[in-house]
Amino acid sequence: RKEVEQDPGPFNVPEGATVAFNCTYSNSASQSFFWYRQDCRKEPKLLMSVYSSGNEDGRFTAQLNRASQYISLLIRDSKLSDSATYLCVVRDSWGKFQFGAGTQVVVTP
Amino acid sequence: DARVTQTPRDKVTEMGQEVTMRCQPILGHNTVFWYRQTMMQGLELLAYFRNRAPLDDSGMPKDRFSAEMPDATLATLKIQPSEPRDSAVYFCASGSSGGWNEQFFGPGTRLTVL
Repeated sequence: RKEVEQDPGPFNVPEGATVAFNCTYSNSASQSFFWYRQDCRKEPKLLMSVYSSGNEDGRFTAQLNRASQYISLLIRDSKLSDSATYLCVVRDSWGKFQFGAGTQVVVTP
Repeated sequence: DARVTQTPRDKVTEMGQEVTMRCQPILGHNTVFWYRQTMMQGLELLAYFRNRAPLDDSGMPKDRFSAEMPDATLATLKIQPSEPRDSAVYFCASGSSGGWNEQFFGPGTRLTVL
């Protein structure tokens, strides 16, 4: 079983709609949590950190549920430019980052 | 604008040849990671350095792969001998140790072994 699991998608989303997806992690001692975005043939880039209280950055909202060991990402008012693969990332107490395989989002006109 | 740099960006080689990939982490960062990404496996951690010391290289095939940090401004990943199954994109990332510090990725080296 992988340490970080994500639904690979693709999630096909009409422009302007809302999309949400989760990831689950297996290590209950995980320390910090992130969502990264990866465009085709590019390097991953940080989208946002995920704090225990949940946090929002513009149209993006991230939630963390430590009890159930899952992280969620919600994108409101989807733009064509939101089309990408979203990687769930968990950092352990040793500083290692574990990446999920990614969830593909395709925003259509 | 500080960035992680990687060379070469693309490498095509023949099976059995040695391949060396280089990474220059962001100045001041004390952690360096090497990842391999393929369509089938996603991002796999190969090696992890903190303050130039290797902390974890359990993801790396030891018989052919080696990773080093000769100094704080250079990390290298070598494959000798290379095999077709090593074809992938190899990313280097750097960061500062600490729970909420993100890691910054380089543009990657796209390796093709024929």
